[in-house]
Amino acid sequence: SYELTQPPSVSVSPGQTARITCSGDALPKQYAYWYQQKPGQAPVLVIYKDSERPSGIPERFSGSSSGTTVTLTISGVQAEDEADYYCQSADSSGTYAVFGGGTQLTVL
Amino acid sequence: QITLKESGPTLVKPTQTLTLTCTFSGFSLSTSGVGVGWIRQPPGKALEWLALIYWDDDKRYSPSLKSRLTITKDTSKNQVVLTMTNMDPVDTATYYCAHRPSLPGTRDYFDYWGQGTLVTVSS
Repeated sequence: SYELTQPPSVSVSPGQTARITCSGDALPKQYAYWYQQKPGQAPVLVIYKDSERPSGIPERFSGSSSGTTVTLTISGVQAEDEADYYCQSADSSGTYAVFGGGTQLTVL
Repeated sequence: QITLKESGPTLVKPTQTLTLTCTFSGFSLSTSGVGVGWIRQPPGKALEWLALIYWDDDKRYSPSLKSRLTITKDTSKNQVVLTMTNMDPVDTATYYCAHRPSLPGTRDYFDYWGQGTLVTVSS
């Protein structure tokens, strides 16, 4: 079955830039979406269609795509950004959705 | 505004069938392009997409769980029901339902989520 691969963890200091990658063979054909999940809470959509930001999501969150890898970038990381981040996309035919394994972002 | 809420048993025994209901408001499942999906998350683990039902009653299932899942909708009640057969302790997880928006050019994703419901499978 199709898989999306994320690094298990990323650490940054406050004010720095965090980059979280997600790799998958179908990403050149399918959009990627990113969710933020804090402990005990439901996921929140932070990026859709690779790089679009939903209303209410701070401008420091951005997304990009290059080949089989998509990247979530958080500029000027704040303590409140500490959370798990999941990428999501679809298989090459667009038949079913799939989530990445998640990345724990630690703000040092 | 859009809200979703999951309901169902908190404890099921191995081999039993789980039935979860998602009750939503703020949108209609008869609107073209709209869908409702189910996603689960075992304690301390990653999200896993399970199933999705569309406004036109088209249904999609996770390939690895397809034989055990059934998703249905009752548009008049604003509800979506997920059943999962032959439950096992490894199915212990928080189960979420979520709204799939109608956005041209996109595949399935979820912009509003329920709070989730923890289901424990144990004898």
